[in-house]
Amino acid sequence: AQTVTQSQPEMSVQEAETVTLSCTYDTSESDYYLFWYKQPPSRQMILVIRQEAYKQQNATENRFSVNFQKAAKSFSLKISDSQLGDAAMYFCAYYSGNTGKLIFGQGTTLQVKP
Amino acid sequence: DAGVIQSPRHEVTEMGQEVTLRCKPISGHNSLFWYRQTMMRGLELLIYFNNNVPIDDSGMPEDRFSAKMPNASFSTLKIQPSEPRDSAVYFCASTPTPLGSEQFFGPGTRLTVL
Repeated sequence: AQTVTQSQPEMSVQEAETVTLSCTYDTSESDYYLFWYKQPPSRQMILVIRQEAYKQQNATENRFSVNFQKAAKSFSLKISDSQLGDAAMYFCAYYSGNTGKLIFGQGTTLQVKP
Repeated sequence: DAGVIQSPRHEVTEMGQEVTLRCKPISGHNSLFWYRQTMMRGLELLIYFNNNVPIDDSGMPEDRFSAKMPNASFSTLKIQPSEPRDSAVYFCASTPTPLGSEQFFGPGTRLTVL
């Protein structure tokens, strides 16, 4: 079975600085996607970024980028120029192309200090 | 587009009562997912439907839980009888393709069972 691990329960960053959130996963599948979701205090789940496993190029979305290391099964999220609105819980998620299931990590709470 | 709609947003009930949570997916989306979020267990997939048919209900915790999708625009998750350990936030999500990877989440229903 696939698993997703986020080893950092909490992280903090100074406003305007850069922070990296870690995620590792375990799978024997070849067809999968990886995601980062953001959950602010409103509890709405918001898609931040996605990565197709077959693509070598790392995905980027404005201030958000990933470091996808397929062989190491690592998928970290880098937030540049952190803003107060980035404060939230961040979830790494694995999507199985075989089962159609989305499996979430335990989440990392990010605090942004002014 | 209004996004995924869930009702109620908050539900407080007493142990033993029946609880029904409702979800309206985004129009045109083929797949619908029910998740439960707790502090202890994080985000768990309970069940998902494709074209109104339940595909995988292996995450449904026990027989007290049931889910239906009578048509493409409506789904319910029912708990009967409810127990205090069912207290959680329940999310509904939908996706536009049969095994589509990007899921759009509703705002969630916070359930409290006293």
